[in-house]
Order: sequence, then structure tokens, then C-alpha cells
Amino acid sequence: DGGITQSPKYLFRKEGQNVTLSCEQNLNHDAMYWYRQDPGQGLRLIYYSQIVNDFQKGDIAEGYSVSREKKESFPLTVTSAQKNPTAFYLCASNYGGTDTQYFGPGTRLTVL
Amino acid sequence: KQEVTQIPAALSVPEGENLVLNCSFTDSAIYNLQWFRQDPGKGLTSLLLIQSSQREQTSGRLNASLDKSSGRSTLYIAASQPGDSATYLCAVKADKLSFGAGTTVTVRA
Repeated sequence: DGGITQSPKYLFRKEGQNVTLSCEQNLNHDAMYWYRQDPGQGLRLIYYSQIVNDFQKGDIAEGYSVSREKKESFPLTVTSAQKNPTAFYLCASNYGGTDTQYFGPGTRLTVL
Repeated sequence: KQEVTQIPAALSVPEGENLVLNCSFTDSAIYNLQWFRQDPGKGLTSLLLIQSSQREQTSGRLNASLDKSSGRSTLYIAASQPGDSATYLCAVKADKLSFGAGTTVTVRA
């Protein structure tokens, strides 16, 4: 089955820890995206990548880092510099441009 | 900066009633507008995509209209069912995809 997988589904982090969220797609999409969703707010773009080995900051990149070493993988690291990381994180991908984005099932991160 | 607003934030209707969900956006220079569905704790599923040159799109019981000049889109769901209970988000595509906060719909059996 083609699709986007995110792991883990739930993640707990202690203060001061870095954690990495996984996103994998087998849709052969060129572009991949990371969004953050908070209650009562629209999705906000953290980082995006249009091709392998290249990525750009979105609207709220501070405290986050990404890599794009493979076309199918776009992991997101939430660093200790992110002051309020508790949120629902969604990964998406598409062929780029104005093509519709396809979303993964999400990872819920909670800071203890 | 593009602002996308969805009102109301929540809506409860009896089964069988037609649903009308509203989306407004501040900058009409868009490529397209999409409606997504999100079930609790899940990812987003694309329902309809309307190109900026189109006025509406239909899929089954769903119909979405777009008035780009006034910055408005409406999603109609005919003969609502309990399975339609979810959060519906609209998103407009310009240099990036900008999302509204969503309307949470409850269809009462």
C-alpha cells in the first residue's frame, strides 16, 4: 500500500531532551512537509523540502531541525530550544507545486 | 500574510440535515483551495480541491464553491450522517498552504 507513515504515534519528552519524529513515504513524492497543530489553531508549517538534500524553513522553524538524505524520509528533530513543543505533528508529501498534499497519521508529542 | 478563517468553530446538527461550512481568506491571489477532513487524533484526508479558475467541485454528497474575488468558499454536505462527524479544514494555496482552524461537526443520530 502506498502512503505516509509516522512514528511513533505518541511520544513523551522530558525537559531538555531532543526527540526525533519519523516520517516515511512510498509515494515517490519529491516534496515533504512538517506541520504543527495546536488546539483551536490552523496547521503551521515548520519545515519543507522540495528535493533530496535541500530544505527550507517554514513559519515556525525555531527549535526544530530536519534532514532529507533520502527521497522517502524526512525526520524532524524537536530540540530542547523549542520552548513549547507539546503538540500534534503532521507530515505531508506531494509531487510539489500546487499538487494536493497527502498527510500521515500524525505524532502526538507531550513534554513531561 | 494570508489569513484563513472558519466560522463557526463547532456545529451540531440532527442526522439528515444539510451542512454548510464556511471559509474566508484575506488574499485572493491563490492557486487553489482545498477542503480536508480530520477525525480525532488522525491525519488529514483531502475531500475536494478547487482550482482558482473554477467555481465549484462536487464529489458525491459534497459540493464546494469558490468565490475568489470575495475570498470565500463554502462546503455543502447533503443529507448528513453520523459518519460525517469530524473536523473540516479549509486550506488555500499561494506561496504555501495556509490553513483555517477548522469547524468541528457533530451529526446527532
